[in-house]
Amino acid sequence: DAGVIQSPRHEVTEMGQEVTLRCKPISGHNSLFWYRQTMMRGLELLIYFNNNVPIDDSGMPEDRFSAKMPNASFSTLKIQPSEPRDSAVYFCASKGQGAISNQPQHFGDGTRLSIL
Amino acid sequence: DQQVKQNSPSLSVQEGRISILNCDYTNSMFDYFLWYKKYPAEGPTFLISISSIKDKNEDGRFTVFLNKSAKHLSLHIVPSQPGDSAVYFCAASHTDKIIFGKGTRLHILP
Repeated sequence: DAGVIQSPRHEVTEMGQEVTLRCKPISGHNSLFWYRQTMMRGLELLIYFNNNVPIDDSGMPEDRFSAKMPNASFSTLKIQPSEPRDSAVYFCASKGQGAISNQPQHFGDGTRLSIL
Repeated sequence: DQQVKQNSPSLSVQEGRISILNCDYTNSMFDYFLWYKKYPAEGPTFLISISSIKDKNEDGRFTVFLNKSAKHLSLHIVPSQPGDSAVYFCAASHTDKIIFGKGTRLHILP
């Protein structure tokens, strides 16, 4: 079975450019999560979706960040305009149905983003 | 305001010995606790979990202990093997959200 698939694996771009990160969750999973990992703050939840609907975006740092989930098999995280402090590893994770808390999340291998 | 804390950034353990990774939390509403393992250039992978109604869960070489009164949990790995060298994240959940600690890097020494 394919796991969570993220693209690109690496992205290097100049400050001010638009960046789009993509995620394909595990088929049949109904929850999708976007995380950012930095040395200072560890793994931070940015936003999550249930059944394609955004539930909690309180972790999104600024209006420059936006996320969409147009269907059950695809989500994007967009940064526009990008800034050097956005440099981090961005992870997408998905989770299946079941009792709310006890299903583990399955992570993709992340996108390493560098903003110059 | 860190709700999940892993106070040891790194830990070195001799191969064959027991590795003990610790985690503290502050929110008494958490009802499920998880440990994830992460290798470089890969995403975190789920390792083991425990419900707040239990105090111990065992899976092969991995055991998680939960002390609710102290708001503390620990992961025991015995015996430690070279492939266990990785970053371990403690996590706690309530509803759909999972809050992660900053991780502990475990080095297994030959």
